[in-house]
Amino acid sequence: AQSVAQPEDQVNVAEGNPLTVKCTYSVSGNPYLFWYVQYPNRGLQFLLKYITGDNLVKGSYGFEAEFNKSQTSFHLKKPSALVSDSALYFCAVRDPDSSYKLIFGSGTRLLVRP
Amino acid sequence: SQTIHQWPATLVQPVGSPLSLECTVEGTSNPNLYWYRQAAGRGLQLLFYSVGIGQISSEVPQNLSASRPQDRQFILSSKKLLLSDSGFYLCAWSAIPGHREGKRTQYFGAGTRLSVL
Repeated sequence: AQSVAQPEDQVNVAEGNPLTVKCTYSVSGNPYLFWYVQYPNRGLQFLLKYITGDNLVKGSYGFEAEFNKSQTSFHLKKPSALVSDSALYFCAVRDPDSSYKLIFGSGTRLLVRP
Repeated sequence: SQTIHQWPATLVQPVGSPLSLECTVEGTSNPNLYWYRQAAGRGLQLLFYSVGIGQISSEVPQNLSASRPQDRQFILSSKKLLLSDSGFYLCAWSAIPGHREGKRTQYFGAGTRLSVL
């Protein structure tokens, strides 16, 4: 079955330190992968996506993600975390069985301590 | 540029009352439209999606229905709300496959917090 896993419910990091939010996927065919961020009581904001090409994708707010085909992973990273990065992060993958749908992970809460 | 509007932002309704949530998209034509529910501030559940006017696909059986009376308007409805309908409802759009903004990126509205009491 097609799926996306975010193995960590919460990630804690000190401001200024690098952060990583993990995502692994299991889909048939070439994956289209996405990261979204959600602030409290707000909708999801698109951060970045991987479709093809360079395995390192750069996105909004200084975030980047690395596509690793052999490990079927698409981890979100940032070199230096900000308190304002504290939010809920979702990884998603195109559903290869549908022309329209995304499969979302369960979300990871990032808490950046001052 | 494209924008998506969703209203109201919050809604408190009694059990058994009707519901109508509206979502509109500007700056694009013939978008795919989606309704999601997010429970307990976590996972997203796709409720409905639409690829054109009057074309609605339901993902899960439930007390809700959706309609798309115009190209860029998507409405979520219920005739009688249940307690279990409480949650955070999100509307999203994406470009049709083949469009230059395609590749399945979905863009979300700000959401509606529904409390059924």
